[in-house]
Amino acid sequence: AQRVTQPEKLLSVFKGAPVELKCNYSYSGSPELFWYVQYSRQRLQLLLRHISRESIKGFTADLNKGETSFHLKKPFAQEEDSAMYYCALSGVGETSGSRLTFGEGTQLTVNP
Amino acid sequence: DGGITQSPKYLFRKEGQNVTLSCEQNLNHDAMYWYRQDPGQGLRLIYYSQIVNDFQKGDIAEGYSVSREKKESFPLTVTSAQKNPTAFYLCASSTRSFSGANVLTFGAGSRLTVL
Repeated sequence: AQRVTQPEKLLSVFKGAPVELKCNYSYSGSPELFWYVQYSRQRLQLLLRHISRESIKGFTADLNKGETSFHLKKPFAQEEDSAMYYCALSGVGETSGSRLTFGEGTQLTVNP
Repeated sequence: DGGITQSPKYLFRKEGQNVTLSCEQNLNHDAMYWYRQDPGQGLRLIYYSQIVNDFQKGDIAEGYSVSREKKESFPLTVTSAQKNPTAFYLCASSTRSFSGANVLTFGAGSRLTVL
């Protein structure tokens, strides 16, 4: 079974402060991890995936297999980062298809 | 304009009635998915389909049914057997993968309220 946990439902920071959204997972095999974001009145969309090793909108996330974590970080938060963030996991090699398991989500608010 | 179209955006239903939510995509994606989004519970997978005429149950399939007669369409029926149907429903699609996950493209969602 695969499981994703986001321990913080709500996270509030001030503009310019560092931000870290936590994500922990449980999976017996080799996972693929993703962060999806939903801005107000917009569709849920991909922010980044661990295999790309990219920085998107200043966000980065490193897969830590030892700690089974995939925390999302940004050194200086901006007001436009306010959104709902979902961590998601898929098992690599699943013949049943690319089904994603999502965490509960973290609502990030960046205050001016 | 390529993408996923869900309709209706808002739907009200009386208890005991079935209702069907539409999902259409013109992205030429093979795989399609239905998720349910509830506050504090994230997205939970209801059904998914990797190819036409084939679909599998997700984690919370009870009380729901789907069909996949065309590549572009994956309608979801919320039956009267679904005990707590009031929710926000999201449809998504992706290219088919045999080795892992591909990026999902989401629709705008349908909000169902049971009165």
